[in-house]
Amino acid sequence: AQTVTQSQPEMSVQEAETVTLSCTYDTSESDYYLFWYKQPPSRQMILVIRQEAYKQQNATENRFSVNFQKAAKSFSLKISDSQLGDAAMYFCAYRSAFDQGGSEKLVFGKGTKLTVNP
Amino acid sequence: DTGVSQDPRHKITKRGQNVTFRCDPISEHNRLYWYRQTLGQGPEFLTYFQNEAQLEKSRLLSDRFSAERPKGSFSTLEIQRTEQGDSAMYLCASSFGTGDYGYTFGSGTRLTVV
Repeated sequence: AQTVTQSQPEMSVQEAETVTLSCTYDTSESDYYLFWYKQPPSRQMILVIRQEAYKQQNATENRFSVNFQKAAKSFSLKISDSQLGDAAMYFCAYRSAFDQGGSEKLVFGKGTKLTVNP
Repeated sequence: DTGVSQDPRHKITKRGQNVTFRCDPISEHNRLYWYRQTLGQGPEFLTYFQNEAQLEKSRLLSDRFSAERPKGSFSTLEIQRTEQGDSAMYLCASSFGTGDYGYTFGSGTRLTVV
Protein backbone atom coordinates (compact mmCIF):
# COMPACT_ATOMS: atom_id res chain seq x y z
CA ALA A 1 0.00 0.00 0.00
CA GLN A 2 1.14 3.52 -0.73
CA THR A 3 1.95 5.92 2.08
CA VAL A 4 2.54 9.67 2.16
CA THR A 5 4.60 11.38 4.84
CA GLN A 6 4.68 15.07 5.65
CA SER A 7 7.36 15.53 8.28
CA GLN A 8 6.60 19.17 9.12
CA PRO A 9 3.43 19.52 11.21
CA GLU A 10 3.79 23.30 11.19
CA MET A 11 5.70 25.89 9.22
CA SER A 12 5.76 29.66 9.27
CA VAL A 13 6.92 32.25 6.76
CA GLN A 14 7.08 36.01 6.55
CA GLU A 15 4.86 37.70 4.03
CA ALA A 16 6.65 38.04 0.64
CA GLU A 17 9.21 35.37 1.56
CA THR A 18 9.57 31.84 0.17
CA VAL A 19 8.74 28.63 2.00
CA THR A 20 9.14 24.97 1.08
CA LEU A 21 6.88 22.22 2.38
CA SER A 22 8.20 18.65 2.33
CA CYS A 23 6.50 15.45 1.25
CA THR A 24 7.83 11.95 0.77
CA TYR A 25 5.92 8.91 -0.38
CA ASP A 26 6.37 5.20 -0.68
CA THR A 27 5.20 3.20 -3.68
CA SER A 28 6.25 0.34 -5.88
CA GLU A 29 4.36 1.74 -8.87
CA SER A 30 6.11 3.45 -11.74
CA ASP A 31 3.27 5.67 -12.88
CA TYR A 32 1.20 7.82 -10.58
CA TYR A 33 0.04 11.33 -9.81
CA LEU A 34 1.00 13.61 -6.96
CA PHE A 35 -1.00 16.54 -5.70
CA TRP A 36 -0.81 19.38 -3.24
CA TYR A 37 -4.12 20.51 -1.76
CA LYS A 38 -4.75 23.58 0.37
CA GLN A 39 -7.39 23.57 3.11
CA PRO A 40 -8.04 27.02 4.64
CA PRO A 41 -9.68 27.05 8.07
CA SER A 42 -13.32 25.96 7.86
CA ARG A 43 -13.21 25.99 4.08
CA GLN A 44 -13.10 23.43 1.35
CA MET A 45 -9.99 21.73 0.08
CA ILE A 46 -8.58 23.28 -3.09
CA LEU A 47 -6.16 21.76 -5.57
CA VAL A 48 -2.94 23.76 -5.70
CA ILE A 49 -0.78 21.81 -8.12
CA ARG A 50 -0.40 18.36 -9.65
CA GLN A 51 2.50 16.36 -11.03
CA GLU A 52 2.48 13.35 -13.34
CA ALA A 53 5.22 10.92 -12.37
CA TYR A 54 6.27 10.16 -15.95
CA LYS A 55 6.98 13.84 -16.58
CA GLN A 56 10.42 14.92 -15.47
CA GLN A 57 9.60 18.61 -15.67
CA ASN A 58 8.52 20.08 -12.38
CA ALA A 59 5.02 21.55 -12.35
CA THR A 60 4.49 25.24 -11.70
CA GLU A 61 1.33 27.27 -11.08
CA ASN A 62 2.02 30.97 -10.65
CA ARG A 63 3.72 31.35 -7.23
CA PHE A 64 3.56 27.62 -6.55
CA SER A 65 6.11 25.13 -7.83
CA VAL A 66 7.20 21.64 -6.96
CA ASN A 67 10.51 19.84 -6.74
CA PHE A 68 9.73 16.30 -7.85
CA GLN A 69 12.52 13.78 -7.24
CA LYS A 70 11.17 10.44 -8.45
CA ALA A 71 14.12 8.32 -7.40
CA ALA A 72 14.08 9.81 -3.93
CA LYS A 73 10.26 9.67 -3.81
CA SER A 74 10.15 13.27 -2.77
CA PHE A 75 7.62 15.92 -3.78
CA SER A 76 8.13 19.29 -2.10
CA LEU A 77 6.03 22.42 -2.61
CA LYS A 78 7.63 25.84 -2.88
CA ILE A 79 5.52 28.93 -2.31
CA SER A 80 7.15 32.13 -3.50
CA ASP A 81 6.18 35.66 -2.47
CA SER A 82 3.98 34.28 0.32
CA GLN A 83 0.72 36.08 0.93
CA LEU A 84 -1.55 36.18 3.97
CA GLY A 85 -4.13 34.22 2.01
CA ASP A 86 -1.70 31.31 1.69
CA ALA A 87 -2.19 30.49 5.37
CA ALA A 88 -3.83 27.06 5.50
CA MET A 89 -3.27 23.35 5.97
CA TYR A 90 -1.43 21.88 3.03
CA PHE A 91 -1.86 18.22 2.17
CA CYS A 92 0.28 16.14 -0.13
CA ALA A 93 -1.58 13.32 -1.87
CA TYR A 94 -0.78 10.33 -4.07
CA ARG A 95 -2.90 8.57 -6.66
CA SER A 96 -2.17 5.56 -8.80
CA ALA A 97 -2.30 6.06 -12.53
CA PHE A 98 -5.21 4.45 -14.33
CA ASP A 99 -2.97 2.16 -16.32
CA GLN A 100 -1.51 0.70 -13.14
CA GLY A 101 -4.83 -0.93 -12.39
CA GLY A 102 -4.71 0.46 -8.91
CA SER A 103 -7.24 2.32 -6.86
CA GLU A 104 -8.54 5.72 -7.88
CA LYS A 105 -8.44 6.88 -4.28
CA LEU A 106 -6.18 9.65 -3.06
CA VAL A 107 -3.78 8.78 -0.26
CA PHE A 108 -3.10 11.86 1.86
CA GLY A 109 -0.37 12.84 4.24
CA LYS A 110 -1.19 14.29 7.66
CA GLY A 111 -0.72 17.83 6.48
CA THR A 112 1.43 20.87 7.26
CA LYS A 113 -0.10 23.93 8.87
CA LEU A 114 1.34 27.04 7.23
CA THR A 115 1.26 30.35 9.05
CA VAL A 116 2.05 33.54 7.16
CA ASN A 117 3.27 36.41 9.33
CA PRO A 118 2.70 40.02 8.22
CA ASP B 1 -22.51 25.43 -11.41
CA THR B 2 -22.02 25.95 -7.69
CA GLY B 3 -19.44 23.26 -7.10
CA VAL B 4 -19.83 20.29 -4.79
CA SER B 5 -22.52 20.81 -2.15
CA GLN B 6 -22.80 18.94 1.11
CA ASP B 7 -25.68 18.99 3.54
CA PRO B 8 -25.83 19.50 6.44
CA ARG B 9 -22.70 21.48 7.30
CA HIS B 10 -22.86 20.40 10.92
CA LYS B 11 -24.62 17.53 12.66
CA ILE B 12 -24.72 16.76 16.37
CA THR B 13 -26.24 13.44 17.28
CA LYS B 14 -26.51 11.18 20.27
CA ARG B 15 -24.63 7.93 20.35
CA GLY B 16 -26.71 5.15 18.86
CA GLN B 17 -28.68 7.35 16.50
CA ASN B 18 -28.59 7.06 12.73
CA VAL B 19 -27.44 9.95 10.56
CA THR B 20 -27.50 10.58 6.82
CA PHE B 21 -25.44 13.05 4.85
CA ARG B 22 -26.02 14.24 1.31
CA CYS B 23 -23.59 15.24 -1.40
CA ASP B 24 -24.46 16.91 -4.70
CA PRO B 25 -21.50 16.73 -7.09
CA ILE B 26 -20.75 18.94 -10.05
CA SER B 27 -23.37 17.92 -12.58
CA GLU B 28 -21.08 16.63 -15.33
CA HIS B 29 -18.80 14.69 -12.96
CA ASN B 30 -19.30 10.94 -13.11
CA ARG B 31 -17.04 10.07 -10.18
CA LEU B 32 -18.01 10.76 -6.59
CA TYR B 33 -15.81 10.09 -3.56
CA TRP B 34 -16.35 10.07 0.19
CA TYR B 35 -13.53 10.74 2.64
CA ARG B 36 -13.36 11.07 6.41
CA GLN B 37 -11.06 13.53 8.15
CA THR B 38 -10.37 13.54 11.88
CA LEU B 39 -8.58 16.31 13.75
CA GLY B 40 -4.91 16.51 12.92
CA GLN B 41 -5.11 13.95 10.15
CA GLY B 42 -5.36 13.98 6.40
CA PRO B 43 -8.54 12.75 4.73
CA GLU B 44 -9.00 8.97 4.60
CA PHE B 45 -10.77 7.29 1.72
CA LEU B 46 -14.11 5.67 2.42
CA THR B 47 -15.70 4.80 -0.92
CA TYR B 48 -16.28 5.98 -4.46
CA PHE B 49 -18.81 5.72 -7.26
CA GLN B 50 -18.65 5.78 -10.99
CA ASN B 51 -22.11 6.94 -11.95
CA GLU B 52 -24.42 4.80 -9.78
CA ALA B 53 -21.96 1.92 -9.32
CA GLN B 54 -20.01 1.72 -6.07
CA LEU B 55 -16.58 0.59 -7.26
CA GLU B 56 -14.50 0.53 -4.12
CA LYS B 57 -15.05 0.51 -0.37
CA SER B 58 -12.38 1.02 2.25
CA ARG B 59 -11.95 -1.38 5.14
CA LEU B 60 -12.68 1.70 7.26
CA LEU B 61 -16.27 1.46 6.07
CA SER B 62 -17.76 -0.86 8.66
CA ASP B 63 -21.13 -2.54 8.30
CA ARG B 64 -22.69 0.47 10.01
CA PHE B 65 -21.81 2.66 7.04
CA SER B 66 -23.63 2.60 3.75
CA ALA B 67 -23.42 4.85 0.73
CA GLU B 68 -25.63 5.15 -2.30
CA ARG B 69 -25.71 7.15 -5.47
CA PRO B 70 -29.06 6.51 -7.10
CA LYS B 71 -29.26 7.49 -10.75
CA GLY B 72 -25.64 8.58 -10.67
CA SER B 73 -26.45 12.05 -9.37
CA PHE B 74 -26.38 12.95 -5.67
CA SER B 75 -25.03 10.55 -3.07
CA THR B 76 -25.95 9.78 0.52
CA LEU B 77 -23.76 8.42 3.28
CA GLU B 78 -25.60 6.83 6.19
CA ILE B 79 -24.10 5.87 9.51
CA GLN B 80 -26.19 3.59 11.68
CA ARG B 81 -25.87 3.28 15.46
CA THR B 82 -23.34 6.11 15.65
CA GLU B 83 -20.37 5.83 18.00
CA GLN B 84 -18.19 8.57 19.45
CA GLY B 85 -15.38 7.42 17.18
CA ASP B 86 -17.49 8.40 14.19
CA SER B 87 -17.04 12.07 15.08
CA ALA B 88 -15.19 13.57 12.13
CA MET B 89 -15.49 15.74 9.05
CA TYR B 90 -17.03 13.82 6.16
CA LEU B 91 -15.83 15.14 2.84
CA CYS B 92 -17.35 14.55 -0.55
CA ALA B 93 -15.51 15.13 -3.82
CA SER B 94 -16.26 14.64 -7.48
CA SER B 95 -14.31 14.39 -10.70
CA PHE B 96 -14.84 14.00 -14.40
CA GLY B 97 -13.27 10.72 -15.41
CA THR B 98 -10.65 9.11 -13.22
CA GLY B 99 -9.63 12.27 -11.44
CA ASP B 100 -6.22 12.50 -13.04
CA TYR B 101 -6.49 16.27 -12.76
CA GLY B 102 -7.64 16.17 -9.17
CA TYR B 103 -10.98 16.33 -7.48
CA THR B 104 -13.33 19.13 -6.55
CA PHE B 105 -14.13 18.90 -2.86
CA GLY B 106 -17.19 20.04 -0.97
CA SER B 107 -17.01 21.94 2.30
CA GLY B 108 -17.76 18.83 4.31
CA THR B 109 -20.20 17.75 6.99
CA ARG B 110 -18.87 17.91 10.53
CA LEU B 111 -20.36 15.15 12.67
CA THR B 112 -20.22 15.27 16.44
CA VAL B 113 -21.46 12.23 18.35
CA VAL B 114 -22.22 12.95 22.01
